[in-house]
Amino acid sequence: GQQVMQIPQYQHVQEGEDFTTYCNSSTTLSNIQWYKQRPGGHPVFLIQLVKSGEVKKQKRLTFQFGEAKKNSSLHITATQTTDVGTYFCAPHTGGFKTIFGAGTRLFVKA
Amino acid sequence: DADVTQTPRNRITKTGKRIMLECSQTKGHDRMYWYRQDPGLGLRLIYYSFDVKDINKGEISDGYSVSRQAQAKFSLSLESAIPNQTALYFCATAKRTSGEGEQFFGPGTRLTVL
Repeated sequence: GQQVMQIPQYQHVQEGEDFTTYCNSSTTLSNIQWYKQRPGGHPVFLIQLVKSGEVKKQKRLTFQFGEAKKNSSLHITATQTTDVGTYFCAPHTGGFKTIFGAGTRLFVKA
Repeated sequence: DADVTQTPRNRITKTGKRIMLECSQTKGHDRMYWYRQDPGLGLRLIYYSFDVKDINKGEISDGYSVSRQAQAKFSLSLESAIPNQTALYFCATAKRTSGEGEQFFGPGTRLTVL
């Protein structure tokens, strides 16, 4: 079955530093979604990537989909305390159920 | 007003008890999902439903059952709760699309089984 690895599991950064989380799949993906969960909250959709090599930006967040459509990354430039939370990737292989990565928990020290 | 609501928000119960967690949505979405979240394991899919007559098992359906009473309601039952079912449970909804769409999550139910 599909294997999803998301790394790192945790990341501590100083406010202003950059942050990147990676999602790697054992199978070719049809698309990938990213979600953010604030502490004590519920996951909230951030973006969906569909095309090979696609890059999308949302303010300080940059999302990339690999050329082979097996991996993706989320990069945050100049982190702020409002970025704290857990970031999940949700890769899809064409079926209709979602398998989430284990998430990367981001801690930002002011 | 919340589009996806879950009741109860917190529940403490004992081993062997039957528990029902309820989810309601006002988004008019056809697809509904139940996930459990454990520290370090992310979100794992328990069951999903694409309409009232369509129920499917997810990754970890053993020990759970579901009922889709209406388009807007999807309930999760633990027939005989056990301590390792202690977790945070999320309901989610999505539009019917040609592929996988954005999911909208409820606030979660924190369940503790003693």
